[in-house]
Amino acid sequence: SQQGEEDPQALSIQEGENATMNCSYKTSINNLQWYRQNSGRGLVHLILIRSNEREKHSGRLRVTLDTSKKSSSLLITASRAADTASYFCATDDRSGGSNYKLTFGKGTLLTVNP
Amino acid sequence: GAVVSQHPSRVICKSGTSVKIECRSLDFQATTMFWYRQFPKQSLMLMATSNEGSKATYEQGVEKDKFLINHASLTLSTLTVTSAHPEDSSFYICSARPGPLRGYTFGSGTRLTVV
Repeated sequence: SQQGEEDPQALSIQEGENATMNCSYKTSINNLQWYRQNSGRGLVHLILIRSNEREKHSGRLRVTLDTSKKSSSLLITASRAADTASYFCATDDRSGGSNYKLTFGKGTLLTVNP
Repeated sequence: GAVVSQHPSRVICKSGTSVKIECRSLDFQATTMFWYRQFPKQSLMLMATSNEGSKATYEQGVEKDKFLINHASLTLSTLTVTSAHPEDSSFYICSARPGPLRGYTFGSGTRLTVV
């Protein structure tokens, strides 16, 4: 079942603009991760934020986590055409089992126009 | 570091045949690997968790007899789609975690087309 729900489902911006994607989830989590997927390819890990962290930065990426609202956001600053891809949030939890596993949201398709 | 290699990248097979997909961790040991399925323009759905030396754990609704998983070593997990049908056509992706509190590393995926 889907854990995260991304918002918006699709986002189109101009190069140089910032892109913000949001993610909501339903259960308690150990951490939340953001991934990027170019069309027809595997996923690339972008950033991991632990449940006791509120904000994290990595280069042009900024992730926030609000566990009280069960939501996270990914901000990409100064976007480039090469940032065009699908972005997924994923929660890392045990979901009642003994192993940790990732549960993905539906994703946001970001298009950055040159 | 932390590379997961997945083969083949594309495969076309006839209905009724079986297809094996391999997932290897190249520079780390993975006692657990994960198999996902992704339909066009949709998200990844976890199919099963592959455990080295023991039985895989399948998600609800996934037929274990149809999607056979073998995790015989600390670096290799295989997914075999048995008696494939056109509805099994999809993008299959494996992943593994190099260590605690690290992101998961994904293979490049396998595009399966059953004709």
